[in-house]
Amino acid sequence: SQQGEEDPQALSIQEGENATMNCSYKTSINNLQWYRQNSGRGLVHLILIRSNEREKHSGRLRVTLDTSKKSSSLLITASRAADTASYFCATRLTGGGNKLTFGTGTQLKVEL
Amino acid sequence: DAGITQSPRHKVTETGTPVTLRCHQTENHRYMYWYRQDPGHGLRLIHYSYGVKDTDKGEVSDGYSVSRSKTEDFLLTLESATSSQTSVYFCAISESEVNTEAFFGQGTRLTVV
Repeated sequence: SQQGEEDPQALSIQEGENATMNCSYKTSINNLQWYRQNSGRGLVHLILIRSNEREKHSGRLRVTLDTSKKSSSLLITASRAADTASYFCATRLTGGGNKLTFGTGTQLKVEL
Repeated sequence: DAGITQSPRHKVTETGTPVTLRCHQTENHRYMYWYRQDPGHGLRLIHYSYGVKDTDKGEVSDGYSVSRSKTEDFLLTLESATSSQTSVYFCAISESEVNTEAFFGQGTRLTVV
């Protein structure tokens, strides 16, 4: 089974609203990363949070990490139609030999 | 954009034939990865490399082999393609440090008929 599981699997919101996606993982990590994928394209890195960090911001993105609960959340504020994409969390495991393991993704649709 | 090129971008092949996908990078990054993406499964790691001639298995390595004879090239081979290997394949690269991001290629859509 996969290391990361995103929740919800799909999310539909109106432009201007906030979107929150969650990621749970199973084992100890060095860091957790969020990626975005537009339909038919490769993944693009959004933000990385280290295991000793609890919150990180980048523009309209806010990521939190709770290592005690083995979970992370990605908040996109004031969403735009252009934010429509799939979002994936990925983890680098402690002692994992630099493997980067992805979750199953959240499909976000932002409607006008 | 990071210099990663996957070839071919699309391929249709018959069951039982060998297939090789190529990932070429111009970034001199140490780590290279092959993933497959299927609906409902997200991205699953097939194999990865941590240096020339140094490779290791991922979570779905059965039926696949890899080779890395040069820093810039990472080849994924399906020795005898099966319909279950129909998928979109992505190559990714990252630098040596743990706390660095990965850069992805544009993907190869493989159909096994």
